[in-house]
Amino acid sequence: DTAVSQTPKYLVTQMGNDKSIKCEQNLGHDTMYWYKQDSKKFLKIMFSYNNKELIINETVPNRFSPKSPDKAHLNLHINSLELGDSAVYFCASSHGTHVGYEQYFGPGTRLTVT
Amino acid sequence: DQQVKQNSPSLSVQEGRISILNCDYTNSMFDYFLWYKKYPAEGPTFLISISSIKDKNEDGRFTVFLNKSAKHLSLHIVPSQPGDSAVYFCAASEAGGTSYGKLTFGQGTILTVHP
Repeated sequence: DTAVSQTPKYLVTQMGNDKSIKCEQNLGHDTMYWYKQDSKKFLKIMFSYNNKELIINETVPNRFSPKSPDKAHLNLHINSLELGDSAVYFCASSHGTHVGYEQYFGPGTRLTVT
Repeated sequence: DQQVKQNSPSLSVQEGRISILNCDYTNSMFDYFLWYKKYPAEGPTFLISISSIKDKNEDGRFTVFLNKSAKHLSLHIVPSQPGDSAVYFCAASEAGGTSYGKLTFGQGTILTVHP
């Protein structure tokens, strides 16, 4: 039983293309996140949704657009992909937004832009 | 401007000995700290946390120490086991209502425990 799943696991695409990464959680959580792990290995938050409402929107290019169709899903759409978008993207979920609520992470999606 | 730093990229320890992983932070608004463990091709998994009102939290073989004046925390693993070999991430958060659970991560330390 996968708690937080992401598809695809690997994504190789060319510059200028548009791609989406899907995330689903079956934990009944109401908060979901997208993180980016860059080449320096830092995990940085990009977005967070609570009950389908955007609550965290870090300084991310507007080519990145999250979509939450329901509480169990948070998808990430990226337009006009650039070389610098190459990274591992992690989805996570938690029971709420307060500290102390453990965040559960998906296995990651490795995006390579050529 | 990295607010959470793990200055040791890697650590190698013999099985049965103590592993000590260190983390420094600069943001004085951080008041909740967590350690996550990550195996290759998997997402990070929560290991242990500590609130700023405490200076120590223990869970089995894992103990986290917090020194607020030095803005430093450490994770001790005793005794270390080969299965502990993984990347360990330190993370921090503000408990205030506007943080919405946002975690700021360090860049990780690769721990290798040799049999």
